[in-house]
Order: sequence, then C-alpha cells, then structure tokens
Amino acid sequence: GAVVSQHPSRVICKSGTSVKIECRSLDFQATTMFWYRQFPKQSLMLMATSNEGSKATYEQGVEKDKFLINHASLTLSTLTVTSAHPEDSSFYICSARQLAGGFETQYFGPGTRLLVL
Amino acid sequence: GENVEQHPSTLSVQEGDSAVIKCTYSDSASNYFPWYKQELGKRPQLIIDIRSNVGEKKDQRIAVTLNKTAKHFSLHITETQPEDSAVYFCAASRHTGNQFYFGTGTSLTVIP
Repeated sequence: GAVVSQHPSRVICKSGTSVKIECRSLDFQATTMFWYRQFPKQSLMLMATSNEGSKATYEQGVEKDKFLINHASLTLSTLTVTSAHPEDSSFYICSARQLAGGFETQYFGPGTRLLVL
Repeated sequence: GENVEQHPSTLSVQEGDSAVIKCTYSDSASNYFPWYKQELGKRPQLIIDIRSNVGEKKDQRIAVTLNKTAKHFSLHITETQPEDSAVYFCAASRHTGNQFYFGTGTSLTVIP
C-alpha cells in the first residue's frame, strides 16, 4: 500500500505554545488529506479535511483558528495546534486519499502523540 | 450524514477460533467499506475492503460480507492467532471522495 509519514511522532510542549505536525504522502500525490484525533481506547474523530490549494473543511465543534491546516502541495499537509492547552493532549493521525484503478482509499500516517504540560 | 455502528466493543476468543465483528450504516449511498486494524500506539492499517457491487470478499483468513439491503457488513477472521489481537475499525464512505465514517472500534483479544 501507499506510504504516509507524519512528523514528529511525539511532542511535549508547555501550555500556550504552538505545535506543528506534518503529514506527507511519500509515493503518491494526495489532493485530499484528513486529520483525525484519537483519545485512548476510542475511535478516530475526524477534525478536518485538507484540500490542496484551498481552505480546509472543519467538522462541527472543531475550532479552525485553533487547529490551523495548510495543504500547500500535493504531498504535504500541516496541522498547527495554536496556544496548546493540556486538554489538547491527544493522538493526532493524518490520512491521505489515494486514487488507484478508479477507486479511492485512505492510508494513515503513524500518528503524533501530543502532550501539553 | 452517515452513522456507523460497530459491535461488539470487545471480543475475546481462543486461539484457532473464529471472530466476527459487525457494522451497520445508515446512508444508502455509501458504497465503499474498508476495515482497519490498529495495534496499540500505531497507525490504522487497511486489512480488507469491499465495494457495494460485491457481497463477499476473502483474503486468506480474513473475509468481509456486505448486505446492502440491510445496510450491514461484517468482518470474519478464521483460525485466529495471538497476533490478530488489536482494535478493528470499520468505515463507510461514498468513494467519490467523501470522508470516511468510522465505527467505534472492536478490541479483539486472542487468547493463546
């Protein structure tokens, strides 16, 4: 399957700082990437859909000014958690949509574990 | 929008037995149903998927069935092994580029 990388894998930061997470599709171009948040022992919660060259689409209840998304190229999307607080601590996972053989599927990055102190 | 329900939330089976996880969906326009396996602290990995033009798909010990009329699909794992222990998520989507709607997950434990 396709390869999606995510960086950093783990980050610890102080409350009030901003954290940037990168998601890259390594062997294919992805016009659309998705950002998820996952709490322990829970399912994947879609935060936003990132579209190359246009504004991201945020899910209800997700603050777009707090979770800034930039999809500047066909292989890179970034999520910036601005003014992070302890309640933002979570596992953030991106996925990239690949079109192959007329069908689409999603491949996930390895995730970023964020801990805000 | 789409609503995906998944059962059971936890499942324990003896090694060698079969495991079945069931999902239902609400949007009759959904036509793509992938299953993901997620080990602790790792990314979800696509293990099998099915599209609405078929009723069953099999890949070695893993199979998925789809009943469009009833709007449910199931994952079947036969001859389970300890390394099958993980959380499994189903999802539903319209494969025209819309988002995936995930089930709540099933934590499978295979007891040696």
